[in-house]
Amino acid sequence: DVKVTQSSRYLVKRTGEKVFLECVQDMDHENMFWYRQDPGLGLRLIYFSYDVKMKEKGDIPEGYSVSREKKERFSLILESASTNQTSMYLCASTYAVPSYEQYFGPGTRLTVT
Amino acid sequence: SQQGEEDPQALSIQEGENATMNCSYKTSINNLQWYRQNSGRGLVHLILIRSNEREKHSGRLRVTLDTSKKSSSLLITASRAADTASYFCATDAYSGGGADGLTFGKGTHLIIQP
Repeated sequence: DVKVTQSSRYLVKRTGEKVFLECVQDMDHENMFWYRQDPGLGLRLIYFSYDVKMKEKGDIPEGYSVSREKKERFSLILESASTNQTSMYLCASTYAVPSYEQYFGPGTRLTVT
Repeated sequence: SQQGEEDPQALSIQEGENATMNCSYKTSINNLQWYRQNSGRGLVHLILIRSNEREKHSGRLRVTLDTSKKSSSLLITASRAADTASYFCATDAYSGGGADGLTFGKGTHLIIQP
């Protein structure tokens, strides 16, 4: 069975902290994605990666960075967390382009206080 | 980036009835997908329809695509309480340069009344 896991379901951090969100997939997928989901705004793409050490900005990359050192792992980094980064973060992976279904992790609900 | 827009934003029906949700998008696509999200969880892929297809079925799901109108619909027949969830359409616009993420609409929240 296809599986995408995220390191935490719930996370509470303080303003200014550095935050790491980890995502691991076991499907040998080339492509991985980070989205954030906010009420009334839907899902928005933060960053994606189509290969190890490769990354591309999505629609809202400001305040975030990513790391892909291994094929199965894609990390989202909040360099200095702010309250407006309180959100649900969803990781996804997919095998091939252009026609691809994405497999999502369960999400991490991050609260920045 | 283009974005799908679902309609209605919320829908409440009785168990056993059919539920129809619509999605409109702005520019040409390679395919359109529908996802379901149960409360507080990740998204689950339901069905993918390619731009050269007009209709697709999967179990109780029926998806149509009208590229001339840039719209799609998702029909769930004989609804069940377990269908209560948010439903999202997602579009891609592969340009050949790499893997773009999907662009999601804001979703239709479907409630099935027992």
